Amino acid sequence: GESVGLHLPTLSVQEGDNSIINCAYSNSASDYFIWYKQESGKGPQFIIDIRSNMDKRQGQRVTVLLNKTVKHLSLQIAATQPGDSAVYFCAENIKSGGGADGLTFGKGTHLIIQP
Amino acid sequence: NAGVMQNPRHLVRRRGQEARLRCSPMKGHSHVYWYRQLPEEGLKFMVYLQKENIIDESGMPKERFSAEFPKEGPSILRIQQVVRGDSAAYFCASSQTGGLAVNEQFFGPGTRLTVL
Repeated sequence: GESVGLHLPTLSVQEGDNSIINCAYSNSASDYFIWYKQESGKGPQFIIDIRSNMDKRQGQRVTVLLNKTVKHLSLQIAATQPGDSAVYFCAENIKSGGGADGLTFGKGTHLIIQP
Repeated sequence: NAGVMQNPRHLVRRRGQEARLRCSPMKGHSHVYWYRQLPEEGLKFMVYLQKENIIDESGMPKERFSAEFPKEGPSILRIQQVVRGDSAAYFCASSQTGGLAVNEQFFGPGTRLTVL
């Protein structure tokens, strides 16, 4: 089975509200995590990443939290905008120190921003 | 600064034909990754290449699929004797290095393969 998965397939929030998208992973060897945004008909777009030696990282309107104890990752989007509507994937990299770096993706959460 | 380029964007093939998907990485990137995405699912890693080398092909089917990244020119994902189950979106990503230092992967727009 997949080592990365998401709790909710669809999340609907009001424009201007904050949203939280969750992700669970099962491989404790994972040491690098990325959140991607994918709009319809397009390739995934990098949002933010975090390494396993951190538990929080902030970007512009986005925050990623990592809880290694329960193998949980979340993406917080502040003051959501219509352009935030997309499918969001978490991905992990389970290989350290160089070499192959194929990412393992979860199935995705579809974020819908309602006006 | 052109991003990752893939062509064609849409490809239709009949069962038994060959499909060739091309990927030009971002300027300065020497690492290329191919992923496959089925409808309503996440991306599945297929293969990781550097120039003239396949580094990891653990996600690629043993039969009919091959990939290359020649010294000159784009990376090619080749699917021989396509079957309906090969219908999917195929994404290419590139990165500056493959190590932990800078391994952010930038994705192309994808090639949507439809097998009739």
